[in-house]
Amino acid sequence: EDQVTQSPEALRLQEGESSSLNCSYTVSGLRGLFWYRQDPGKGPEFLFTLYSAGEEKEKERLKATLTKKESFLHITAPKPEDSATYLCAVQAKASGSRLTFGEGTQLTVNP
Amino acid sequence: GAGVSQSPSNKVTEKGKDVELRCDPISGHTALYWYRQSLGQGLEFLIYFQGNSAPDKSGLPSDRFSAERTGGSVSTLTIQRTQQEDSAVYLCASSLVGGGLEQFFGPGTRLTVL
Repeated sequence: EDQVTQSPEALRLQEGESSSLNCSYTVSGLRGLFWYRQDPGKGPEFLFTLYSAGEEKEKERLKATLTKKESFLHITAPKPEDSATYLCAVQAKASGSRLTFGEGTQLTVNP
Repeated sequence: GAGVSQSPSNKVTEKGKDVELRCDPISGHTALYWYRQSLGQGLEFLIYFQGNSAPDKSGLPSDRFSAERTGGSVSTLTIQRTQQEDSAVYLCASSLVGGGLEQFFGPGTRLTVL
């Protein structure tokens, strides 16, 4: 069974204080690992897809990395508008096109 | 262009009633997904449509849940004889094709069963 565990559950940062969110996964053949951002009352917003270990992708203050067992979402010099819940999901080769999500990390960036 | 749209945005119903939730995917997207997000839990896969292929219904929690997709576009998720544990946000997503491509989500329908 595919499993995704995200840590920490919640993270409070001061503006400008860099940190990382963790996503550990167990999957029988990874097709892709996805990061999404979700604001309260809205649907998840796509951020990144990573396909193989060693891959990295960047977007503004965010950088996602992937190993064979986990992914990290690095946030550099965050701003209050980065406050949201960050979701990690995996798609397994044997599970069709479904995504298996973690429970998310709720990030709060204080000014 | 327009994103995924869902209606209604909120639905309050009484236990035992049937409800229908609608999803309009992004134009040209052949793959459509339904997920459920319960309070304090991660998103849970329900069903997946890809073109004219038979849908993957493996995530539907009971036979009270069904979904259809007409004309390869709009989809309706139906929950019969609703129960209080069905209360959740129901999210629809679409992607250009199935497989490893990103899924784009709609705003969701918040269902409350009294």
